[in-house]
Amino acid sequence: ETGVTQSPTHLIKTRGQQVTLRCSSQSGHNTVSWYQQALGQGPQFIFQYYREEENGRGNFPPRFSGLQFPNYSSELNVNALELDDSALYLCASSSGQDTGELFFGEGSRLTVL
Amino acid sequence: DQQVKQNSPSLSVQEGRISILNCDYTNSMFDYFLWYKKYPAEGPTFLISISSIKDKNEDGRFTVFLNKSAKHLSLHIVPSQPGDSAVYFCAARDSHGSSNTGKLIFGQGTTLQVKP
Repeated sequence: ETGVTQSPTHLIKTRGQQVTLRCSSQSGHNTVSWYQQALGQGPQFIFQYYREEENGRGNFPPRFSGLQFPNYSSELNVNALELDDSALYLCASSSGQDTGELFFGEGSRLTVL
Repeated sequence: DQQVKQNSPSLSVQEGRISILNCDYTNSMFDYFLWYKKYPAEGPTFLISISSIKDKNEDGRFTVFLNKSAKHLSLHIVPSQPGDSAVYFCAARDSHGSSNTGKLIFGQGTTLQVKP
């Protein structure tokens, strides 16, 4: 059973650019959620995808968008990057069990200059 | 507004002793509480959870206690081991809509150091 994998692990962008981060969910998991973790903070919920549709969103602007594909993998897109977008972006998958347990990837470290 | 708070940024304990990590919350609608452990350069790893209808859950060296009247939960690690040194996050799930199974609200984290 493969775990959650994310790519790229690190990347550097400049302000105003766009970025796409990718995530492969754990085998059998149909729900994917994305989190932003700023330095010294806990992860913050961005949004969740279930069966290729967004079905929950946190307090993030529309320039944060996503996709989920039929194989349950997912992308996070961020447009018009700002310096404050520098963070660790975590993808998590779940099987829909009613326990709240999520399985996280190692994250993509984004630096915006 | 911080719905889940971990007021201690760090904790240092001696190997073999008990580690107690604390967490406070404000939202009475949370239905599950979870603890995650995070090592540097790794994603958070699930440790233990507790349903809001229970007051204690135990798994090996790890026990989570929930005090609903005080809106407080704690994680006890006994005995503590050097490999337990990591950042520990408390998280809570809002019960509004089972479709939101992926939405957890995290605390800021507590860095635990277990000294040999």
